[in-house]
Amino acid sequence: SQTIHQWPATLVQPVGSPLSLECTVEGTSNPNLYWYRQAAGRGLQLLFYSVGIGQISSEVPQNLSASRPQDRQFILSSKKLLLSDSGFYLCAWSSSGRLGNTIYFGEGSWLTVV
Amino acid sequence: AQSVSQHNHHVILSEAASLELGCNYSYGGTVNLFWYVQYPGQHLQLLLKYFSGDPLVKGIKGFEAEFIKSKFSFNLRKPSVQWSDTAEYFCAVNYGGSQGNLIFGKGTKLSVKP
Repeated sequence: SQTIHQWPATLVQPVGSPLSLECTVEGTSNPNLYWYRQAAGRGLQLLFYSVGIGQISSEVPQNLSASRPQDRQFILSSKKLLLSDSGFYLCAWSSSGRLGNTIYFGEGSWLTVV
Repeated sequence: AQSVSQHNHHVILSEAASLELGCNYSYGGTVNLFWYVQYPGQHLQLLLKYFSGDPLVKGIKGFEAEFIKSKFSFNLRKPSVQWSDTAEYFCAVNYGGSQGNLIFGKGTKLSVKP
């Protein structure tokens, strides 16, 4: 069966520090991978998605970047965090092919920038 | 443990039929509630949300949901579905209010026959 893991679960970082959130999927190959963020008081916002290794699409211009160094690994990064980067980050995957296949979410990571 | 249950995996309706998709969540104190929709070939998008106030929430495209605190439920309804409502619907719960984890249900696939 397929599983998705993301870490760390919680993170407190000072403004200006770097960020790395990691997500891995097991039990499937060539998945579509996603990073979402939920800021306080708002719904979920798609940040990045990837349909293959090295292929990253950005939905919202911002202080963050994403990379996919391996087929089932998706990393969310920042060189210098801002206070506005605080929020709940969710990694997700869906089977390869067109968008709209059922999406499966990780456990989420809470980032607090202080 | 915090959990969100969507009772129906796949619902098939004819056009003009009424829709109700169930969503129940485990007790966890203060919650914010969401319904998301993913249309074929598109990304996830917010349908409606409940934070506080009137427990009957109206969203886009004629959808509404009712928060019944005593039943820990947030069912999605639409009086008359259209073929274009064919999509997958996800219920999500923000435990602990805006600062809490966001937990998704497994989704309900809705197929509307023309």
